[in-house]
Amino acid sequence: AQSVTQLGSHVSVSEGALVLLRCNYSSSVPPYLFWYVQYPNQGLQLLLKYTTGATLVKGINGFEAEFKKSETSFHLTKPSAHMSDAAEYFCAVSLTGGGNKLTFGTGTQLKVEL
Amino acid sequence: DGGITQSPKYLFRKEGQNVTLSCEQNLNHDAMYWYRQDPGQGLRLIYYSQIVNDFQKGDIAEGYSVSREKKESFPLTVTSAQKNPTAFYLCASSQQRGDEQFFGPGTRLTVL
Repeated sequence: AQSVTQLGSHVSVSEGALVLLRCNYSSSVPPYLFWYVQYPNQGLQLLLKYTTGATLVKGINGFEAEFKKSETSFHLTKPSAHMSDAAEYFCAVSLTGGGNKLTFGTGTQLKVEL
Repeated sequence: DGGITQSPKYLFRKEGQNVTLSCEQNLNHDAMYWYRQDPGQGLRLIYYSQIVNDFQKGDIAEGYSVSREKKESFPLTVTSAQKNPTAFYLCASSQQRGDEQFFGPGTRLTVL
């Protein structure tokens, strides 16, 4: 079984500031990890994913995330926030081996202020 | 262009009526999913299907039904037994369960 926790349901940053969205997971076996973004009244779009290999993963729109096994974390970062980054972000986890459930966190709403 | 389509975008229903939400994909994916999204609750899995003519209940299947007669189609029926059906409904697909999921644009259902 697996689970994912996103710390902070709402995060607010200034434009140009660092974005840090936190995600911790629990998993009995090596996980696959995902970050999705959702703009209002739209579906989810994949930002990035970790399956195997390099633990620092780069995604679209300047986002990246680092898989830290020792900390069971997969935090999402972006060096400089832009107004267009305002959206809801979901972390998700599944187990390696295929055929397994993808479990989503409850989401973090990112607000970007001038 | 490959992707997932959902229709309609907005749907209004009177209490006591069944309504069917459409989901079609042309990604040749085997697995398809239906999620319900309510504010502050993330995504909750209603039903999923890993192969044609087979589907399983998710976490909140009561009051919903699905069919998977074709690989590309996975319609969801919200029945009158669903006590609080007003929500945003998302359809997704993946090559197999556990893989990256691709999402449709969603259908917002409002019960009047």
